[in-house]
Amino acid sequence: DAKTTQPPSMDCAEGRAANLPCNHSTISGNEYVYWYRQIHSQGPQYIIHGLKNNETNEMASLIITEDRKSSTLILPHATLRDTAVYYCIVRAGDDKIIFGKGTRLHILP
Amino acid sequence: DTGVSQNPRHKITKRGQNVTFRCDPISEHNRLYWYRQTLGQGPEFLTYFQNEAQLEKSRLLSDRFSAERPKGSFSTLEIQRTEQGDSAMYLCASSFRQGARTEAFFGQGTRLTVV
Repeated sequence: DAKTTQPPSMDCAEGRAANLPCNHSTISGNEYVYWYRQIHSQGPQYIIHGLKNNETNEMASLIITEDRKSSTLILPHATLRDTAVYYCIVRAGDDKIIFGKGTRLHILP
Repeated sequence: DTGVSQNPRHKITKRGQNVTFRCDPISEHNRLYWYRQTLGQGPEFLTYFQNEAQLEKSRLLSDRFSAERPKGSFSTLEIQRTEQGDSAMYLCASSFRQGARTEAFFGQGTRLTVV
């Protein structure tokens, strides 16, 4: 079973920051937080991952709380192409990825 | 394009027929994963390989399913005696562990329709 909890859906206005929350209260010390997204009819796309420090790349920022029990994925300037299902995953090393139901993000024009 | 290639992209087959899907991972990746996804659900783990060794098989992988990675490069997933419930998207991913760099990259999937 997935070890994360996410809201089933969220809306965000185009051009605004999209903040997607994730709870992972049972995360183990060696588990990373990963985010993937899946656009309709495509394979999941890797976005970002982190252990305990905040991370940023060209796609997004990942904010992990100090106790590591929750995190937030931030898309700084959402566009219509960011409409997708976003999956928050906890994973140790290169172990198998267990997906939950994810958050369906709608970007509103 | 992630570099993970899956063929065919679409497959329509009659119930009871056998089908085989192929996945070509990113060349230096030693881990290869198979997933199944039905409409409205997240991908479900089926099995994964470290080089040619199959490390784990999900309970979802019934006796009709078999996966191989004979030379530690490409992999095949075969479904024997297909059933309508096998209709789904079959996804393949690969990864290579280098320190904290362990992200897995997915192919575009093979969509199977059993009629």
